[in-house]
Amino acid sequence: DTAVSQTPKYLVTQMGNDKSIKCEQNLGHDTMYWYKQDSKKFLKIMFSYNNKELIINETVPNRFSPKSPDKAHLNLHINSLELGDSAVYFCASSQDLGSYEQYFGPGTRLTVT
Amino acid sequence: DAKTTQPNSMESNEEEPVHLPCNHSTISGTDYIHWYRQLPSQGPEYVIHGLTSNVNNRMASLAIAEDRKSSTLILHRATLRDAAVYYCILLAYDNYGQNFVFGPGTRLSVLP
Repeated sequence: DTAVSQTPKYLVTQMGNDKSIKCEQNLGHDTMYWYKQDSKKFLKIMFSYNNKELIINETVPNRFSPKSPDKAHLNLHINSLELGDSAVYFCASSQDLGSYEQYFGPGTRLTVT
Repeated sequence: DAKTTQPNSMESNEEEPVHLPCNHSTISGTDYIHWYRQLPSQGPEYVIHGLTSNVNNRMASLAIAEDRKSSTLILHRATLRDAAVYYCILLAYDNYGQNFVFGPGTRLSVLP
């Protein structure tokens, strides 16, 4: 039973399109995150949510809009996709804001052509 | 957050101990030392973290230098499954969530 799951695993789309990536965790955690791993393999936080409330937005373009319908889900919607958005996006969750142990999903590889 | 320096890659033989070093000479008093690893085509996985004292858990041990300017992740018996990129990250406790930034890390190869 997967703890943190993401769909889709691969996403290929054209510039200018709007797409969403879904994330679900079944661990009962309060806090969820979105990370972006670029072509140089640097993995950096984009957003963190706690109990459905946005906590951190790390200077991400407003084309990226996270949405948390409930504590177990944190979806990422991206408008007007650009070539530079191509990356692997990881969702993660942790028990609460103070917990260092984060559980990551398998990632979604987004390719914008 | 303070920066860390790790070797780009290391190699180990299966069933031998592995010592993965990390230098963090600008560490502050409130920075915790975290280790995560990323297996091929997977998301990162928590390994261990510590502040000042050495730490042990079922996966690994973390040895922290007395001056805290360096640390070493120890895998006691490497297996093929331990082949991964290992990240050493410094982060102070934050009430707003632990927002990690993963650098290039050390790519560990385990030879059968």
